[in-house]
Amino acid sequence: KNEVEQSPQNLTAQEGEFITINCSYSVGISALHWLQQHPGGGIVSLFMLSSGKKKHGRLIATINIQEKHSSLHITASHPRDSAVYICAVGGSEKLVFGKGTKLTVNP
Amino acid sequence: EPEVTQTPSHQVTQMGQEVILRCVPISNHLYFYWYRQILGQKVEFLVSFYNNEISEKSEIFDDQFSVERPDGSNFTLKIRSTKLEDSAMYFCASSEVGGGTQYFGPGTRLTVL
Repeated sequence: KNEVEQSPQNLTAQEGEFITINCSYSVGISALHWLQQHPGGGIVSLFMLSSGKKKHGRLIATINIQEKHSSLHITASHPRDSAVYICAVGGSEKLVFGKGTKLTVNP
Repeated sequence: EPEVTQTPSHQVTQMGQEVILRCVPISNHLYFYWYRQILGQKVEFLVSFYNNEISEKSEIFDDQFSVERPDGSNFTLKIRSTKLEDSAMYFCASSEVGGGTQYFGPGTRLTVL
């Protein structure tokens, strides 16, 4: 059974700061997903990655398969980035989710 | 942009009643999923569905639950006899390929009284 741990649980930043959210998992996977959950509850897929690094706008996701670790970075954070960021890992179709990191970016 | 839709957005029911939650996945997607999130807790996998049958299910998905694709567009989750602990947000998702990027619907908030 895969255990997914995220850190930190809560993160408060000032607008413009560089943000890092970490995710560790216990069992080898085929892919790792980063998701964003808005205050209203909706979930948006940000990245799916199985190796290396991906970038989309101000978001960067990296994964180290050997260390079973991934990071999500947000450059030049903005109040609209405030949300819960969730790491989820999959070996097949089933995803195992972390508890999420609640990010608050203050203006 | 295509999106997954879910109805209703909020369902209130009495304990013991049957509920059906509905989802319309993205039209060219072949894999469908249901997840639930109890308030304040993490998202949990319930079931995945491909080629008109369940491909994987979790321990949560017991005999009280069933899924169906009654036509070419809808994907439903039925809970036969709801319990208080079934109160949660239920998310449907779909993907083009198995293990691929999953697109989530907005969720149905189920409240069991």
